[in-house]
Amino acid sequence: KNEVEQSPQNLTAQEGEFITINCSYSVGISALHWLQQHPGGGIVSLFMLSSGKKKHGRLIATINIQEKHSSLHITASHPRDSAVYICAVIPGSARQLTFGSGTQLTVLP
Amino acid sequence: EAGVTQSPTHLIKTRGQQVTLRCSPISGHTSVYWYQQALGLGLQFLLWYDEGEERNRGNFPPRFSGRQFPNYSSELNVNALELEDSALYLCASSFTGSGGYTFGSGTRLTVV
Repeated sequence: KNEVEQSPQNLTAQEGEFITINCSYSVGISALHWLQQHPGGGIVSLFMLSSGKKKHGRLIATINIQEKHSSLHITASHPRDSAVYICAVIPGSARQLTFGSGTQLTVLP
Repeated sequence: EAGVTQSPTHLIKTRGQQVTLRCSPISGHTSVYWYQQALGLGLQFLLWYDEGEERNRGNFPPRFSGRQFPNYSSELNVNALELEDSALYLCASSFTGSGGYTFGSGTRLTVV
């Protein structure tokens, strides 16, 4: 079993829809990251969380440390949000990231 | 402020050859991480350098190696290339002790 599980693997939405991507992890962590990867490969860090909730524009990320679960929400989705969204954790005293398998999001106009 | 820069962006090598990939971290970042993203697979941790020392390595054979220079830039070397080494190699940097990451755009290596 992977240490980081994401769902769904693929998600297609219509422009304007509210989107949720889920991440569950099985190890103790010091932080969790949500990353965005566009075609071509470059990765952008969207959020780093160790507790609670963060918001940036139309993006909201939450984490429940006790339940070992995090969610990424996109409000009023837009075709430019189409990308792979990756959940990654920093386990315990480690410094490197352990990644989920990613969620391919396609937002149709 | 310049981001994390990687070079080259793309390259093609023949099986058995050796390759060197380069990464320049954000100014002030002392930690450099290398990750591999093979086609159809998720991101896998390769190597972590901090203050010029290798601090940790992932589950990769010894032909994957690297180093970090006094200016905190880093090289990843892969010897005796195999077809399955074809992948996107991503570099990321952070401050020592910080959990924040900045990623480069990656080097796409194709082994033929």
